[in-house]
Amino acid sequence: AQKITQTQPGMFVQEKEAVTLDCTYDTSDQSYGLFWYKQPSSGEMIFLIYQGSYDEQNATEGRYSLNFQKARKSANLVISASQLGDSAMYFCAMREGDAGGTSYGKLTFGQGTILTVHP
Amino acid sequence: GAVVSQHPSRVICKSGTSVKIECRSLDFQATTMFWYRQFPKQSLMLMATSNEGSKATYEQGVEKDKFLINHASLTLSTLTVTSAHPEDSSFYICSARGGHNQPQHFGDGTRLSIL
Repeated sequence: AQKITQTQPGMFVQEKEAVTLDCTYDTSDQSYGLFWYKQPSSGEMIFLIYQGSYDEQNATEGRYSLNFQKARKSANLVISASQLGDSAMYFCAMREGDAGGTSYGKLTFGQGTILTVHP
Repeated sequence: GAVVSQHPSRVICKSGTSVKIECRSLDFQATTMFWYRQFPKQSLMLMATSNEGSKATYEQGVEKDKFLINHASLTLSTLTVTSAHPEDSSFYICSARGGHNQPQHFGDGTRLSIL
């Protein structure tokens, strides 16, 4: 079974508008971490935002915020005021065994969502 | 922020050649480094996890004799693709993290093309 699911292969958004990229996860661990990475066409992976399973508040980093709904096991990324430079592939990832666990910290990635920002 | 350097960024070589890819953490000590493989427009697939001074842990289906990993210091891990063949052509990307709850920081990746 997929541990991380991104159901949107591609998304389109108008410049300056907000967009939500969906991510659901599956784990039986109590401690885990959720990450979002951006991968432009050049290939590098850029860390955007992190949410720990015990964090009570949604994580925010500039224009990025993570809508964490623990009961629904979802961790959607919200990008506000989209810019042309936001066009890229976005990956949601989970690390099980965070917060004191014994995991080496392997990340499991979703399938990715290609975001295209139109002018 | 944390910087991970991966070298080379692009390799084109003949079938049967062995290729070494380096992954360095430039401004932090990486207790753990990870090696991923990515096919075009697909997700990253973890190949192996390496911890400094110990043998790498390979994911199921990854040939350890084919993909040799060495993590000799807290700032350097290497992946050697031995006797590479065209089916080994792919994008290989490493990541490193300093502590247990730290995010992984990725290198810029290596595009490997075997002719």
